[in-house]
Amino acid sequence: EPEVTQTPSHQVTQMGQEVILRCVPISNHLYFYWYRQILGQKVEFLVSFYNNEISEKSEIFDDQFSVERPDGSNFTLKIRSTKLEDSAMYFCASSAELPSGELFFGEGSRLTVL
Amino acid sequence: TQLLEQSPQFLSIQEGENLTVYCNSSSVFSSLQWYRQEPGEGPVLLVTVVTGGEVKKLKRLTFQFGDARKDSSLHITAAQPGDTGLYLCAGTGSSNTGKLIFGQGTTLQVKP
Repeated sequence: EPEVTQTPSHQVTQMGQEVILRCVPISNHLYFYWYRQILGQKVEFLVSFYNNEISEKSEIFDDQFSVERPDGSNFTLKIRSTKLEDSAMYFCASSAELPSGELFFGEGSRLTVL
Repeated sequence: TQLLEQSPQFLSIQEGENLTVYCNSSSVFSSLQWYRQEPGEGPVLLVTVVTGGEVKKLKRLTFQFGDARKDSSLHITAAQPGDTGLYLCAGTGSSNTGKLIFGQGTTLQVKP
């Protein structure tokens, strides 16, 4: 069964360091997303991406964040200078269609900023 | 800002009991989805409801979308320990980007 895969599963980094989280969406999907979940809190939307550009981003997704689909298969989230409050589980998701198409989530990348 | 409020946040029941989880908003959603999330994993879709008043059944789980498309409920009949987990409702935002707005989740524990 096709699935969304994310790497790394867990990353520990020092405050101020750059982090890149990687995702391989399901191959025929066209819509890509990043969400995050701080421990004990709700899942929050970060960004949606379609046709090689951001289609929507939340207030959380400030200038420190960027996304890229460099080679047609990977979808990356970069945090330029991590802060303590960036510690969270980051989920990548993809969908084949809009508006109510099923989002398939990866298993997440846990980011710990020290 | 569209928000979804889920209740209850925690529910601990005995095997065989029935339960209902609610998901409410003051906003209209074009669709609403229910997910289940296991520890250390991403959410997995259970069902999508699109039409006001729609009812969908998945074995012992019954999902309903309110007539005004502002609320939804998940009812589990004769709960089993295997139903234990985190249940999330999520609504499709007003923009047409597929963005989901999640409720805070309901942690269900079913004791044998």
